[in-house]
Amino acid sequence: AQTVTQSQPEMSVQEAETVTLSCTYDTSENNYYLFWYKQPPSRQMILVIRQEAYKQQNATENRFSVNFQKAAKSFSLKISDSQLGDTAMYFCAFADTGANSKLTFGKGITLSVRP
Amino acid sequence: NAGVTQTPKFQVLKTGQSMTLQCAQDMNHEYMSWYRQDPGMGLRLIHYSVGAGITDQGEVPNGYNVSRSTTEDFPLRLLSAAPSQTSVYFCASSRGGGAYEQYFGPGTRLTVT
Repeated sequence: AQTVTQSQPEMSVQEAETVTLSCTYDTSENNYYLFWYKQPPSRQMILVIRQEAYKQQNATENRFSVNFQKAAKSFSLKISDSQLGDTAMYFCAFADTGANSKLTFGKGITLSVRP
Repeated sequence: NAGVTQTPKFQVLKTGQSMTLQCAQDMNHEYMSWYRQDPGMGLRLIHYSVGAGITDQGEVPNGYNVSRSTTEDFPLRLLSAAPSQTSVYFCASSRGGGAYEQYFGPGTRLTVT
């Protein structure tokens, strides 16, 4: 079974600065998908970024980018120019390939952006 | 599009009571799933469905039942509520399995006393 580990329970960053959230995972699969989901205080879960393991290039979405290290099984999220609206819980998640694939979440990290 | 809707938003039950959490989506997604979120535990998969008439168990299925009679609806039934089922419950849908973007409902906060 796959596991996803987020070892930092909380982080804090000053507005406009850059922060990196860590995630490691364990799998014996060669092809899979990795995600970062955001849960703001409203509780609504939304997708931040998605990475396909067979793609060498790291995914980016505006101020959000990932550092995907397949051999090390590491998938960190970098948030540049942090904004107050980035304050949220962030979950790293793993899914294998296939129509019936299930999503496995890490325990999450609470990020606070200070004004 | 309303996306994924869940009712109720909040619910308090007594131990032993039963209830159904409703989930509906209007995006014609085949894949739907239920998760529970507990402090320090992330989201854990309860049950999922890959299409009408097809359901399967996730990581924590005990004490919960599901059925999928239509593409749109995926209710979660608590058979005999226990305090250990106090949690926030999320329904999600996607056009495929977990490898696709999941669209989540707003969640139901359930307290069992």
